[in-house]
This record gives sequence, structure tokens and C-alpha cells, in this order.
Amino acid sequence: EVQLVESGGGLIQPGGSLRVACAASGFTVSNSYMSWVRQAPGKGLEWVSIIYSGGSTYYADSVKGRFTISRDSSKNTLYLQMNSLRAQDTAVYYCVRDWGYHHDVWGQGTMVTVSS
Amino acid sequence: VLTQSPGTLSLSPGERATLSCRASQSVDSTYLAWYQHKPGQAPRLLIYGASSRATGIPDRFSGSGSGTDFTLTISRLEPEDFAVYYCQQYGNPPFTFGPGTRVDIK
Repeated sequence: EVQLVESGGGLIQPGGSLRVACAASGFTVSNSYMSWVRQAPGKGLEWVSIIYSGGSTYYADSVKGRFTISRDSSKNTLYLQMNSLRAQDTAVYYCVRDWGYHHDVWGQGTMVTVSS
Repeated sequence: VLTQSPGTLSLSPGERATLSCRASQSVDSTYLAWYQHKPGQAPRLLIYGASSRATGIPDRFSGSGSGTDFTLTISRLEPEDFAVYYCQQYGNPPFTFGPGTRVDIK
């Protein structure tokens, strides 16, 4: 069964750093396109970042220069390193597998709260 | 930029729902998808390529459209269909979502 399980969310102070992880099963992360999508409280979905199977990465303008997407093939895990966190980064972060030209498998999400 | 209308749709079970997604520039229909999102759950892929149903999606859900105008239709609303629906373009990054349409029970 294809499954994604996020971890690492929590409460962090503004300006701090946090890394969230996404453990995949049933498929190989390094052979897939993988994205992060977030939803701030009371807001809609916002695409955050993608890592292609070849290793290229892209980011939303709102996180460019602060967030880094990466993967560990040995652990079949996707990561999102978040630095210089702001209150506006408070959201549920979803790990997503991309297939074709859409997001076909979603994790349950991990909550990141940026607050003093 | 994707715009969705209406913002909220209040309907009764058994009624037909028609949700609109309009793009500021033409979108290749290959790159247009629809998702359903319920509180406390992960979003779920409904439609990809503007009109293809994802695996396991009931045939009461259908997608259509091309260019700048796309539509998601739910032919007869079931109680489990009350949720927020998002369209998304997956052309080149950033892969923007529309603001969503909430389908409420009337």
C-alpha cells in the first residue's frame, strides 16, 4: 500500500528552524516527484515546493530562500527544512506524491505553529 | 491565477452541484486537477487532466472544460460530498491552487 507519514511538526518561535519529515512506503521517493503543500488555519491549500526525481527543486515565492526540500534514499524519506520561520508559516504541512500532472497520494499532515 | 466560484454553495443532498474554476491565462487541460478536502483529513484527488476521474472516485463526479474555464459537477450530492473543493494548475511551478469552493448542507 502506498502511504506517506509526516512527522516533526510542533511549536517554534519566530526566526527559528524546524525540519519536518515524510516517511514513504509502497514506492520509492527518489524515483518520484514529491511536493509539500500547506494549509494555514482558515485558509486554502498552498503549494510550497517540489523535488523532481532528477533532483531539481522549486519553491513558492513565499518560502524561497528560507525552505529547502530534500530526500534520503536510504530511508525513503522526504524532508522540508524550514528556516527563518514566520507567523505566516503556521500551517498543516502535507507531504504529497506527484504522479503525472497532479498530486495523487497525500499524507495526513503535520502541524507547524510559529509563535512566541 | 485561478479563481473559483461560487465561494460557497448551499445545497441539499440529491441536488446537483456545479463548481467553476477560471484561469487568468489559458491552461492546458492536461494540467488541471480537482481535489476534495474535508476538515481533519488529507485532501483527495478527484479529477485530473480536467476530466479523468481518479481511482475509486464515484461517477457522480465529473470534470469538464478547456482553456480558461473548467467545471466540476457533482450530479447528485451525497452526505459525504459536503466539503471544500479546489482546482489546481500543474503546468510549471508554482503549481497554484484556486481559493476553493465550500459545498455546505442547506
